[in-house]
Amino acid sequence: DAGVIQSPRHEVTEMGQEVTLRCKPISGHDYLFWYRQTMMRGLELLIYFNNNVPIDDSGMPEDRFSAKMPNASFSTLKIQPSEPRDSAVYFCASKTGRDQPQHFGDGTRLSIL
Amino acid sequence: GDSVTQMEGPVTLSEEAFLTINCTYTATGYPSLFWYVQYPGEGLQLLLKATKADDKGSNKGFEATYRKETTSFHLEKGSVQVSDSAVYFCALADSSYKLIFGSGTRLLVRP
Repeated sequence: DAGVIQSPRHEVTEMGQEVTLRCKPISGHDYLFWYRQTMMRGLELLIYFNNNVPIDDSGMPEDRFSAKMPNASFSTLKIQPSEPRDSAVYFCASKTGRDQPQHFGDGTRLSIL
Repeated sequence: GDSVTQMEGPVTLSEEAFLTINCTYTATGYPSLFWYVQYPGEGLQLLLKATKADDKGSNKGFEATYRKETTSFHLEKGSVQVSDSAVYFCALADSSYKLIFGSGTRLLVRP
């Protein structure tokens, strides 16, 4: 079975540019989560969706960050404008059911110069 | 709020040594508990889980028992291998379906 698919795997861009990260969850999963991982702060939940609807975005750091889920098989996380402190690994995860685990993608390593 | 506390790493062991990584949690209600493992350059992979008190999760020689009385979920393995070198995360799932992670423990196994 295909797992959670994220793209791109690596992104290097200059500050001020718009960055779009993409995620395809596992088919049939109705929850989707976006995380950010840094050495200083560890794993942080940014936002999560249920049935394509954002449920909790309290982890989104600033208005520069936005996330959408236009359908059950696709989500984007956008940063505009990007800043060097946004450099991190961004993970997407999906799940279904209360006691079921989250399944993670391989992440996007983002470097803002 | 809910939280997870893990022992600080790195933990350095010789091959075939016994492994324990401590994890304690604070939660209202009855959370599910998980251990995830992250290998370099990869995402987190589920290692094992337990959904209620006294459940024992096990996988690939790793075990952890959900102890409600001590609010703990310690990870153990009887004989580690070099290939077990990775970062291990303890996590709980609260009633809102969010995962709350510990800070992670890096394990280094030497031949």
